[in-house]
Amino acid sequence: AQSVTQLGSHVSVSEGALVLLRCNYSSSVPPYLFWYVQYPNQGLQLLLKYTSAATLVKGINGFEAEFKKSETSFHLTKPSAHMSDAAEYFCAVTPGSGSARQLTFGSGTQLTVLP
Amino acid sequence: EPEVTQTPSHQVTQMGQEVILRCVPISNHLYFYWYRQILGQKVEFLVSFYNNEISEKSEIFDDQFSVERPDGSNFTLKIRSTKLEDSAMYFCASSDRGYNEQFFGPGTRLTVL
Repeated sequence: AQSVTQLGSHVSVSEGALVLLRCNYSSSVPPYLFWYVQYPNQGLQLLLKYTSAATLVKGINGFEAEFKKSETSFHLTKPSAHMSDAAEYFCAVTPGSGSARQLTFGSGTQLTVLP
Repeated sequence: EPEVTQTPSHQVTQMGQEVILRCVPISNHLYFYWYRQILGQKVEFLVSFYNNEISEKSEIFDDQFSVERPDGSNFTLKIRSTKLEDSAMYFCASSDRGYNEQFFGPGTRLTVL
C-alpha cells in the first residue's frame, strides 16, 4: 500500500524567494514519485518524476525534487518563485513495479506568491 | 503536443440519472485511468483499464460505475444512477506504459442536483 503526506496545505512565499513544498511517502515496494501542478480550473500537469534513476530530478519551470530514501521524502523546490507559480501542487506515488498502477495523491499544497 | 481531451467540460444532472463522461486518450497510449476530485479534497483513483479490461479499481468504483472503450479512441465512464455525493471533477488519464507518467485531461465537472 502507498500513501503520501504533504505538510502544509497552504504555503506563501515572496516573489524571488525559495519555494519548498514538502512530501513524505510510504510504500511497501520501491516507489515511483511524481509532482503535479494544477492551475485554477485546469487539469493536472506533470512537473517532474522520480523513477529510480537519478535521485535529484529536474522538471519544468525551474522546479526540482530530491528523492531521499532514508527520509522517505520527495520535497519540491525552486530557487526563485515567480508569480506564475501560484497554483496547487500535488505529490503522488505509485509502486515501482507491476503493470498499470494507480497514483495515490497527497492532499495538495496551495502555493501563494506574494509580490 | 498530444493531449488527453474530455467532454463535456461541465455536466449537470438530476439525482438518479445516468451520465456518461467521455475521454479521448493520447493515441499511442495503452493504459487508461479515471480519477475524481471532490471539491476541496484530494484526487482519488477510481479505475485503471488495460487490454480491454479493468486492471485495478478502488472501493469508490462500485456497481454504479462502469468503464468502456467502445472504439479505438474513446474511453468512457458511466455512472448508472447518480447520487449527490458523485458531484466532483472527474479526470481521465492515460500512459503509454503502466510505469510511465500519466497524462491528465482537463476534467469534467459533474454536478448532481
